[in-house]
Order: sequence, then structure tokens, then C-alpha cells
Amino acid sequence: QQQVKQSPQSLIVQKGGISIINCAYENTAFDYFPWYQQFPGKGPALLIAIRPDVSEKKEGRFTISFNKSAKQFSLHIMDSQPGDSATYFCAVSDGQNFVFGPGTRLSVLP
Amino acid sequence: ETGVTQTPRHLVMGMTNKKSLKCEQHLGHNAMYWYKQSAKKPLELMFVYNFKEQTENNSVPSRFSPECPNSSHLFLHLHTLQPEDSALYLCASSQDGIGVRQFFGPGTRLTVL
Repeated sequence: QQQVKQSPQSLIVQKGGISIINCAYENTAFDYFPWYQQFPGKGPALLIAIRPDVSEKKEGRFTISFNKSAKQFSLHIMDSQPGDSATYFCAVSDGQNFVFGPGTRLSVLP
Repeated sequence: ETGVTQTPRHLVMGMTNKKSLKCEQHLGHNAMYWYKQSAKKPLELMFVYNFKEQTENNSVPSRFSPECPNSSHLFLHLHTLQPEDSALYLCASSQDGIGVRQFFGPGTRLTVL
């Protein structure tokens, strides 16, 4: 049973472009929605996170858009850079469970 | 980032061996976690310790045995593993419980022959 669906599986973007990764979940009890970034040979690191009381959160070039009614949230990377090339995971938590999406491999071409 | 360290970084073991993975966090956190990351599956939460007490065991086979002697150290004892257990094992910590920011270590790449 896949509690979190993430798309696309892989993404190629030109430098300066916008990268968009989407996640969808089923359980309305989830109340914490983070995005993690993982580089090869490293553990995941928190990039940005949102709680359901807001619909959007922006930190630098990274923005989370949250649609509570649709049970979807997305990560937008503005002005994508080659250094952003990594695997991105969305996750959901209800305080009892912490579930990761399958990941999106992003490649930003110079 | 050296807040969460894991040793060894790489481990090769036979199916009859017994080995242990070690995790140490220097962040003053109260919760620690073991995850399994394999190529064909999402990150899987294996065990959760909150204030040294195990609070989650997500149907993990008994050949994996966790130990949390204090809030800074976490071990994963391995015995009679199977080749399908080969994966990256990640340790993480957080201030309190699940549902808040988790800090991950670099992982131990385990290969079971």
C-alpha cells in the first residue's frame, strides 16, 4: 500500500528553469509535509516543510504549495542550478507515522 | 554536517555473520530512528526510539535487533541476514518523536553475500 505517491520519477531541467515535483497522499490525519534532498553518498537533509494551516511556504528558491482539499503538495525550485541535481523525497507524518515518497531524481543541465 | 555519525560507512558480511551498526547524534535530541533505503523501495522506517524507549517496530524481521543505551547512541545488531537485506541503512534523530524535522546520518552501505 503506497501511502504517498510522488511524480515524476525523474526530471531533467535546464539551468535557470523551474523544477516541479508533486506528491499526493491519502490519509487526512497527516499534518506535517516535508521535502528532503539527498545527494549521492549522503543522508537526506530537510529542504523545506509545511503544516496544513498555510497553503504556501517559500524559502529562497524553494517553495512548497499545499492543497489540503486535493491532498496534494508540490515542491517548486526556481532558477534551478546544476548544484540542485539530487534526489528529492516528499514525506508525510501524523505524529505517529513518518512515510517517505519514492523519490524524484532531478538533473539540472548546465 | 556531522550532527549524526554512523559507523562503519561500508560493511560486507556473509549470511552467517553477526555485526553491528552504530549511530551517534551530537544534537541533544531525544528521538532516534533506523531507516532502510534500497534501490527499489522508498525509505522504510524500521525502528523508533523516543527517550530511549522503543515506540515503533514496523514489522521488521527479528534478524535485525536495535539497541538504544542512551539518547545519543543507537545500534542495529545484525545476524543471519539475507542477500535482500543489502541496502543503505540510515540513522536519524529529532528533537522529540515523529512529526518534526529529522537529521540524517550518512548511512552504512551494507552488502550481504
